[in-house]
Amino acid sequence: GDSVTQMEGPVTLSEEAFLTINCTYTATGYPSLFWYVQYPGEGLQLLLKATKADDKGSNKGFEATYRKETTSFHLEKGSVQVSDSAVYFCALSDRNFNKFYFGSGTKLNVKP
Amino acid sequence: DAGVTQSPTHLIKTRGQQVTLRCSPKSGHDTVSWYQQALGQGPQFIFQYYEEEERQRGNFPDRFSGHQFPNYSSELNVNALLLGDSALYLCASSLRGYEQYFGPGTRLTVT
Repeated sequence: GDSVTQMEGPVTLSEEAFLTINCTYTATGYPSLFWYVQYPGEGLQLLLKATKADDKGSNKGFEATYRKETTSFHLEKGSVQVSDSAVYFCALSDRNFNKFYFGSGTKLNVKP
Repeated sequence: DAGVTQSPTHLIKTRGQQVTLRCSPKSGHDTVSWYQQALGQGPQFIFQYYEEEERQRGNFPDRFSGHQFPNYSSELNVNALLLGDSALYLCASSLRGYEQYFGPGTRLTVT
């Protein structure tokens, strides 16, 4: 069945460091891919999305490219800030957005 | 504009009891999905409702059932509660499934 695997955390970085959180997926058909973020004490928020191969989603300095050949959707940011400390979830949905699968989450800690 | 709201915030139930959780979608949204999130895990898809019908279901037993009302609000019912049902239950609304907005969740504890 469809599934998402993301790197385990926690990931601890210093401010202004480069961030990569790996995400790979298994899916039939042509899924859409998402990154969600959960800040401390808050609910899940959509960070970025990509609906077809080679699409790049971007928001708040974060980017992820839908790579069909490697079944990956890695999250990157060139320079992290303390305020980026949160749990990041990779997710996929079927073509019609009827069913969603989430990874287990990666906690990011950014130190000043 | 109110976002997705869920009630109650917290709930404590005894094994074997039944529970009903409620969700009001964001204004303009017509689709509601429910998720179970165990501590330290990602959300697990339970089911999705659209036009008052269950459109898709995850790998959850029939003890989990739901309903969507004409105003698009939704309920999640869980019968014969087990200790393993203790989790955060999340509701997400969207317009026909695309770009989900999540509520704050209901924390269910089964003792």
